[in-house]
Amino acid sequence: SQQGEEDPQALSIQEGENATMNCSYKTSINNLQWYRQNSGRGLVHLILIRSNEREKHSGRLRVTLDTSKKSSSLLITASRAADTASYFCATEPMDSSYKLIFGSGTRLLVRP
Amino acid sequence: DAGVIQSPRHEVTEMGQEVTLRCKPISGHNSLFWYRQTMMRGLELLIYFNNNVPIDDSGMPEDRFSAKMPNASFSTLKIQPSEPRDSAVYFCASSPGDRSYSNQPQHFGDGTRLSIL
Repeated sequence: SQQGEEDPQALSIQEGENATMNCSYKTSINNLQWYRQNSGRGLVHLILIRSNEREKHSGRLRVTLDTSKKSSSLLITASRAADTASYFCATEPMDSSYKLIFGSGTRLLVRP
Repeated sequence: DAGVIQSPRHEVTEMGQEVTLRCKPISGHNSLFWYRQTMMRGLELLIYFNNNVPIDDSGMPEDRFSAKMPNASFSTLKIQPSEPRDSAVYFCASSPGDRSYSNQPQHFGDGTRLSIL
């Protein structure tokens, strides 16, 4: 079953603009992770935010987590054409620490 | 460092044939996962191994699917007999975590694109 649901399903922006993707989930979690998938490739881990953290940065990525609303957002600043990919959030449920439950993903297109 | 290696990258076969997908996890990783990705159902966990032992196979669709991990550096996912509805991309992932050690990312291979005619 899919716990994380991303919004929007698809996003098209101009190079240089910021891209924001949202994720909602249903159960208590240990952490939430964001992954990127380029066409025809496997998922690549971007960033992990623990349940006791509210915000985390990594380069041009900024992730927020609101456990009271069971939601997270991924912000990519100053987007580049190379950021074109699908982005997935994944939650690690508190009752099964090995398992990640992936959302349906956001398809991001960055136009040059 | 070598990442997770999967083979073959593409497989096209006829319905009823046996299909074997292979995975070499990252050295030193204790956990191995098999996933299936389709447009309709997204990314689904099929089976999870920890220290070569299957821990959770609740995602395996039916008895036609089986997975083994004979040692820490190799795992297989087998479908016998295959059916057209098994067509999907199958991913293997590994992680240094285990059941009691969370907050670890998973490292994915590039997948096997399987088409059953």
